[in-house]
Amino acid sequence: RKEVEQDPGPFNVPEGATVAFNCTYSNSASQSFFWYRQDCRKEPKLLMSVYSSGNEDGRFTAQLNRASQYISLLIRDSKLSDSATYLCVVNPRGAGKLIFGQGTELSVKP
Amino acid sequence: GAVVSQHPSRVICKSGTSVKIECRSLDFQATTMFWYRQFPKQSLMLMATSNEGSKATYEQGVEKDKFLINHASLTLSTLTVTSAHPEDSSFYICSATHRGRNTEAFFGQGTRLTVV
Repeated sequence: RKEVEQDPGPFNVPEGATVAFNCTYSNSASQSFFWYRQDCRKEPKLLMSVYSSGNEDGRFTAQLNRASQYISLLIRDSKLSDSATYLCVVNPRGAGKLIFGQGTELSVKP
Repeated sequence: GAVVSQHPSRVICKSGTSVKIECRSLDFQATTMFWYRQFPKQSLMLMATSNEGSKATYEQGVEKDKFLINHASLTLSTLTVTSAHPEDSSFYICSATHRGRNTEAFFGQGTRLTVV
């Protein structure tokens, strides 16, 4: 079993749609959780951290369920510029060593 | 925010030659740097953890004699791909953690290596 597993993509959605990405992780002792965004042929960029209480940043909402070892990302009112690959990332031991999911590709169409 | 600079951004080399990639933390001290590799349509796979002043820790399946890592200072780690072959062609990315803030990683821009 992979340490971090994500929904397979790609997701093709129209502008304005709401889209949700899911992710599960295997190490119950994991300490930190993130969503990164990666554009084609670029380095990943931090989108947001994920907290147990849930957190929101504009159109983006992230949720963490430690009991189920499940992480989600919700994007509301999708924009063309949201098209990218979204990476679920876990920091298992709080020392900067990140474990990446395989990524879910999102394509937002006009 | 913290800046990590990776160089070169793109390199093409002949099969059998060695290629060195540099990863520098420009405005902070990085006690630990990480090297990842990403093949097309795949996610980033951790290759090794580089600790300043000590030997790197390699992930299972990564050949330490082929991927030489040196972390001689708190701001520089290098990855040398020795005797490169076409199957080593990939996107190599480094990340660094800030001393005292080690849950957040900062990424270099990546190096696209093509071995012909």
